[in-house]
Amino acid sequence: GAVVSQHPSWVICKSGTSVKIECRSLDFQATTMFWYRQFPKQSLMLMATSNEGSKATYEQGVEKDKFLINHASLTLSTLTVTSAHPEDSSFYICSARGQYDTQYFGPGTRLTVL
Amino acid sequence: AQRVTQPEKLLSVFKGAPVELKCNYSYSGSPELFWYVQYSRQRLQLLLRHISRESIKGFTADLNKGETSFHLKKPFAQEEDSAMYYCALGGAYSSASKIIFGSGTRLSIRP
Repeated sequence: GAVVSQHPSWVICKSGTSVKIECRSLDFQATTMFWYRQFPKQSLMLMATSNEGSKATYEQGVEKDKFLINHASLTLSTLTVTSAHPEDSSFYICSARGQYDTQYFGPGTRLTVL
Repeated sequence: AQRVTQPEKLLSVFKGAPVELKCNYSYSGSPELFWYVQYSRQRLQLLLRHISRESIKGFTADLNKGETSFHLKKPFAQEEDSAMYYCALGGAYSSASKIIFGSGTRLSIRP
């Protein structure tokens, strides 16, 4: 149980386009999900906390107009990278808060912006 | 401010040797500490959390509030323990439950 999926697993896009990444909790409901960014050989950096039915809370230095987060249901949060540029290329990971406040992580989405 | 420090980027030990992965934290409130592990080509997964006071895969970690540490230990390393280990800090009783990760330590077990 407590599986989190992400779609797509990898995506390549042209500079200036927008990309949407989905995060789903498959067998549990998650009122809170988190979005992280991971650069090669570096740790996870928390970008934002996604709350079902309300606005996301962004960490300092993360542009909320650049990284749009929508948490429309208890099992789905989406991250949209708007007007993507090569510097946005990274590994994006989501997690969903489950029972006992444990965070369950998705497999990640690799974004490459050309 | 919340901060997690893992001083070692890489730790290499022989199979059967003891392992200690260091983690220190800074937090003004009541901390909740975790160890997460990421095996090659797999997603991040919870290894253990301090409130559970359990041993998972032979690993244990004790929260030392005086030294603000939460070191991960295993008496006899096995090859399958090779992975990336992240120490993480959350706030107890926090509705936000957000977690801050350390920079990670790559554990390599030599045969």
